[in-house]
Amino acid sequence: ETGVTQTPRHLVMGMTNKKSLKCEQHLGHNAMYWYKQSAKKPLELMFVYSLEERVENNSVPSRFSPECPNSSHLFLHLHTLQPEDSALYLCASSQARGGAGPNEQFFGPGTRLTVL
Amino acid sequence: DAKTTQPPSMDCAEGRAANLPCNHSTISGNEYVYWYRQIHSQGPQYIIHGLKNNETNEMASLIITEDRKSSTLILPHATLRDTAVYYCIVRVNTGFQKLVFGTGTRLLVSP
Repeated sequence: ETGVTQTPRHLVMGMTNKKSLKCEQHLGHNAMYWYKQSAKKPLELMFVYSLEERVENNSVPSRFSPECPNSSHLFLHLHTLQPEDSALYLCASSQARGGAGPNEQFFGPGTRLTVL
Repeated sequence: DAKTTQPPSMDCAEGRAANLPCNHSTISGNEYVYWYRQIHSQGPQYIIHGLKNNETNEMASLIITEDRKSSTLILPHATLRDTAVYYCIVRVNTGFQKLVFGTGTRLLVSP
């Protein structure tokens, strides 16, 4: 248990469906992240939220829409996905600090997404 | 961010020390060396980080060369559960962290 939970753990959806991935952190952190890990590829950072504001968007297609309603919750809304979007989607959180100090990220278990 | 280079794979016998190298020759003065690992189909797990001094925690030791151009992660007594992909990442230690994962080293611990 890392203090970061993700639901659902597995999701199968058609290309015309709309679904959402949920992430919740119980660590009191103020930064949250979405990563994508496709088969046999490195983890790719998708979005970063710091203090509930999106501070990073790594050229992610608009069919992925993040939402961070508060510092503990992060969503990834999915619509009209393509089969190549099938991947493991990972959420992480950390404590963004202004000065030096432990700043490691804690990852959730991921959602395994399959797009048919 | 400084680029890192790691061997794609390594083997280790159970109970022996696993020494995982990482080259980061372009590291700048304010960048830390972080190590994470990812066990198959799970989220990455933070292991350790350091700036220039050697570091040790309950999971591993980190040895950083004096010129900081390379480092070694040491798992002193590897177990089968240490089989994973190990990532060496170089990053400044302020603000939110934009971790850039490479392909890492796939460590296989065998009985």
